[in-house]
Amino acid sequence: SQQGEEDPQALSIQEGENATMNCSYKTSINNLQWYRQNSGRGLVHLILIRSNEREKHSGRLRVTLDTSKKSSSLLITASRAADTASYFCATDGVGSQGNLIFGKGTKLSVKP
Amino acid sequence: GAGVSQSPRYKVTKRGQDVTLRCDPISSHATLYWYQQALGQGPEFLTYFNYEAQPDKSGLPSDRFSAERPEGSISTLTIQRTEQRDSAMYRCASSLDVRDTQYFGPGTRLTVL
Repeated sequence: SQQGEEDPQALSIQEGENATMNCSYKTSINNLQWYRQNSGRGLVHLILIRSNEREKHSGRLRVTLDTSKKSSSLLITASRAADTASYFCATDGVGSQGNLIFGKGTKLSVKP
Repeated sequence: GAGVSQSPRYKVTKRGQDVTLRCDPISSHATLYWYQQALGQGPEFLTYFNYEAQPDKSGLPSDRFSAERPEGSISTLTIQRTEQRDSAMYRCASSLDVRDTQYFGPGTRLTVL
């Protein structure tokens, strides 16, 4: 079963533009993590945001978390062609053993 | 090691055969997770270990699936009597502790013919 639901399913932008991806989830969480997956390759961890945090930055990435709406967003600023990948949110639910529940991902395409 | 490694990277087998997949986590990491990822989907949890203990097997799809981590480091995932529906990417992740960042290996792509 998948808890996270990313939106949109696919996003196509030009290099230099910003990309925003959203994630909604269903149950209370300890933390939420964002991962990137290049075509057919491994999952790369981007950011972990804990339930008591509202915003986090890492380089060109900005993640927000709204626990009242059970949603998170990932913003990539000044996108590059190398950012082309699928982006997944994953939640660590309260009462879980730390296992992550992933959404289906957003496929981002950045055109040079 | 520098990161999580998995072997083999690709495995093709015939229906009915047993397969064993291996995961070598980051050396200081207590916790190890196994996930199954179908094409176009996010990974789905199978099982996890805290050192050698396996507190949660709830994600294993059937009793044909089993996992071990006998010395609290390397882990294996075994699928007995493979079926075509077992074809997927199998991913292993490790973390320092249960609530920490999970670092994923490159995965093993299993194809059952």
